[in-house]
Amino acid sequence: KQEVTQIPAALSVPEGENLVLNCSFTDSAIYNLQWFRQDPGKGLTSLLLIQSSQREQTSGRLNASLDKSSGRSTLYIAASQPGDSATYLCAVRRGSEKLVFGKGTKLTVNP
Amino acid sequence: EAGVVQSPRYKIIEKKQPVAFWCNPISGHNTLYWYRQNLGQGPELLIRYENEEAVDDSQLPKDRFSAERLKGVDSTLKIQPAELGDSAVYLCASKTGTANSPLHFGNGTRLTVT
Repeated sequence: KQEVTQIPAALSVPEGENLVLNCSFTDSAIYNLQWFRQDPGKGLTSLLLIQSSQREQTSGRLNASLDKSSGRSTLYIAASQPGDSATYLCAVRRGSEKLVFGKGTKLTVNP
Repeated sequence: EAGVVQSPRYKIIEKKQPVAFWCNPISGHNTLYWYRQNLGQGPELLIRYENEEAVDDSQLPKDRFSAERLKGVDSTLKIQPAELGDSAVYLCASKTGTANSPLHFGNGTRLTVT
């Protein structure tokens, strides 16, 4: 059974700091991995999707990497801003369309 | 493009009462999902549709939960009767049939069972 773990559960940083969020998964036979953002009381917004054949994806200040062999992914956020405060979730997909989510990392960026 | 639309946003009911949630996916998205998210947890899949066919309902508690997507567009998730443990956020998501297309989520329905 695929299990997804995100560490840390919560993170508080000052504005402007670069930071890394971690995601690990137990079964390396994945189809893709997605990073989502969730604001309080809202649904999830897809940030980046990394296919199993890719090593990383970038969007603006966000960079996600994938190491399938070690079962790890990281989300790097450069020059963090208060507007980045949210919960960040990663999810992995196997052959079927089913996504397995981690519990998320709650990020607070302090002005 | 319009996003995934869910209603209602909030619902408070007493236990043993029925409740229904509605979802309208993004136009052209063949795949529709219902997820349940408990506080502090990631979403967990309840059911997945490909057009009007439920292709994965293995985690749907079928004794009290039911879902339908009759015309392969919008979908309804029902709970009857509701239990205290059903309190959660129910999220609908959709995607195209392309293999590596991302999921798009609605804002969810927050259900409180008292």
